[in-house]
Amino acid sequence: DAGVIQSPRHEVTEMGQEVTLRCKPISGHNSLFWYRQTMMRGLELLIYFNNNVPIDDSGMPEDRFSAKMPNASFSTLKIQPSEPRDSAVYFCASSPITGPPALHFGNGTRLTVT
Amino acid sequence: AQSVTQPDIHITVSEGASLELRCNYSYGATPYLFWYVQSPGQGLQLLLKYFSGDTLVQGIKGFEAEFKRSQSSFNLRKPSVHWSDAAEYFCAVGAGSQGNLIFGKGTKLSVKP
Repeated sequence: DAGVIQSPRHEVTEMGQEVTLRCKPISGHNSLFWYRQTMMRGLELLIYFNNNVPIDDSGMPEDRFSAKMPNASFSTLKIQPSEPRDSAVYFCASSPITGPPALHFGNGTRLTVT
Repeated sequence: AQSVTQPDIHITVSEGASLELRCNYSYGATPYLFWYVQSPGQGLQLLLKYFSGDTLVQGIKGFEAEFKRSQSSFNLRKPSVHWSDAAEYFCAVGAGSQGNLIFGKGTKLSVKP
């Protein structure tokens, strides 16, 4: 079991640039979650998918943020254009869709927007 | 609305001492409850979970937690802390078959030699 894989681990970009974060969930997990972690707000759920379909995107802060899950083994979170206040650690997690929740987290992407 | 409160932002204990981290939740039904640990630069690792049944649950690394419905609490305990336990600990609540969890703000644990 390779766990949830996120890339890149670190991303530094300039304000206004497009940023794409990537996630590969654990094989067989049908639910995928994107969380953002900041000192001020802690861990916030941005969006989650069941069977590649977005279920709840109410946590996505604004239209600059978008997420896709084109297949069961890949998801992206895109920020366009990026702003300094987007600087945070972004976590992807996956879980089996049936039964009680059991989230497995990736190691996160630390995003710095200058 | 669901919420999780971890009243202690930072706790320092001596190595070998006992530990209790507090967690209170607000939820209208029987919740699923979790404790996660995060080491610097790492993701969150599941320590233990409560779904139903015995209210005292055992987890990895010698941790346990007790669900007390009357107090809406799910406190994490360890009888003897090791220096390697220094990390940030997060309590979380979930519901139903949907996996989205609501996390507390975390408690940072420091361990004195």
